[in-house]
Amino acid sequence: QVQLQESGPGLEKPSETLSLTCTVSGGSITSYFWSWIRQVPGKGLEWIGYSYYTGTTNYNPSLKSRVTISVDTSKNQFSLKVNSVTAADTALYYCARDLPWAHYFDSWGQGTRVTVSS
Amino acid sequence: QSVLTQPPSVSGAPGQRVSISCSGSYSNIGAGYDVHWYQHVPGTAPRLLIFGDNKRPSGVPDRFSGSKSGASASLAITGLQAEDEAVYYCQSYDSSLSKLFGTGTEVTVL
Repeated sequence: QVQLQESGPGLEKPSETLSLTCTVSGGSITSYFWSWIRQVPGKGLEWIGYSYYTGTTNYNPSLKSRVTISVDTSKNQFSLKVNSVTAADTALYYCARDLPWAHYFDSWGQGTRVTVSS
Repeated sequence: QSVLTQPPSVSGAPGQRVSISCSGSYSNIGAGYDVHWYQHVPGTAPRLLIFGDNKRPSGVPDRFSGSKSGASASLAITGLQAEDEAVYYCQSYDSSLSKLFGTGTEVTVL
């Protein structure tokens, strides 16, 4: 049974770069896409993007200019970076396993809260 | 950006049947892309309930069922139980190369 665990700072200052890591255990990181999803307080879920271990990525058009997702096979981890954050990036961030070409998420992490504030 | 629209809330008594709609457009559900459903109890990881319009992952009770017609989809819960209280999200793919979630529906067991 694959398990995912998010980690990273819970507080970021405006204009800085948000960085989160998701550690994958109980399964191979090379067989799936790996996505980040967020939930802004009081709102629904928003897909941020995915990465494959080969370097293939796809991002939500609304965030594409500020987001980078990458996979580190040596550590069985994947990461999210969001540049130039504002208060609008305050959210609960989830990592999830993304089924290639099936476009759904079959395993999720518990989520990590990130607040953007000076 | 395209949106999948769900009712904000539905409720029912224990044992009853409730249904949650998910309305999309020609660029996502109407284009033939599959619809998937998730159950989210706040503070926990979202759980995949239905994938590929109407398939249940192992471990999901057959009280949960999904269907799709045209640009809309539905999730039905029969024999409603207290443990079904959660927020339910539909999700699909859009021709803009983006994965979309629905607006979410809170299910309350009366």
